[in-house]
Amino acid sequence: DQQVKQNSPSLSVQEGRISILNCDYTNSMFDYFLWYKKYPAEGPTFLISISSIKDKNEDGRFTVFLNKSAKHLSLHIVPSQPGDSAVYFCAASAIRGKLIFGQGTELSVKP
Amino acid sequence: DAGITQSPRHKVTETGTPVTLRCHQTENHRYMYWYRQDPGHGLRLIHYSYGVKDTDKGEVSDGYSVSRSKTEDFLLTLESATSSQTSVYFCAIEDGSYEQYFGPGTRLTVT
Repeated sequence: DQQVKQNSPSLSVQEGRISILNCDYTNSMFDYFLWYKKYPAEGPTFLISISSIKDKNEDGRFTVFLNKSAKHLSLHIVPSQPGDSAVYFCAASAIRGKLIFGQGTELSVKP
Repeated sequence: DAGITQSPRHKVTETGTPVTLRCHQTENHRYMYWYRQDPGHGLRLIHYSYGVKDTDKGEVSDGYSVSRSKTEDFLLTLESATSSQTSVYFCAIEDGSYEQYFGPGTRLTVT
């Protein structure tokens, strides 16, 4: 039973436009959510996070939105750059330290 | 970058042999984690540690054991490797902020 789902395996976006990556979850006990970016042959790198007491968090070009009633979060990247091309994982936590990851979405930003 | 290294980076081994992967950190963080990454599954938690000699199981712990005798080292052992344990293994550390920082990974092939 997949508690965290990223239903789009891939996404292609033009440079300069907005990239929107989506993530759905089923466990209402999740209270902390994170996004990671992963390049090939490297470990995931932390991007941005959000607590369940908030509905939005921004860090530069990256914004995460949380809709608790829909059990949905999204990552917006504006403007998208070719260097953003990577696999993006969302993760959720109900118990400290135990992250549940989605399957990942491969983002391709075309010049 | 977080001071976290993994060794070896690549390993090929035969079914039935024991294998030990090492994670080393220079950050003196209390929390350490072992994950495996497989296509279609994202990252899944194998074992984690909250301190020296304090470890617990994650969601896919069968066939794996861990040890943490020093703050800086977290070892993952495959007691008798099987082909289903062919994967990429990532170690992560956390400073208490919920945000985990990952090592570069170990690609393990069991033939």
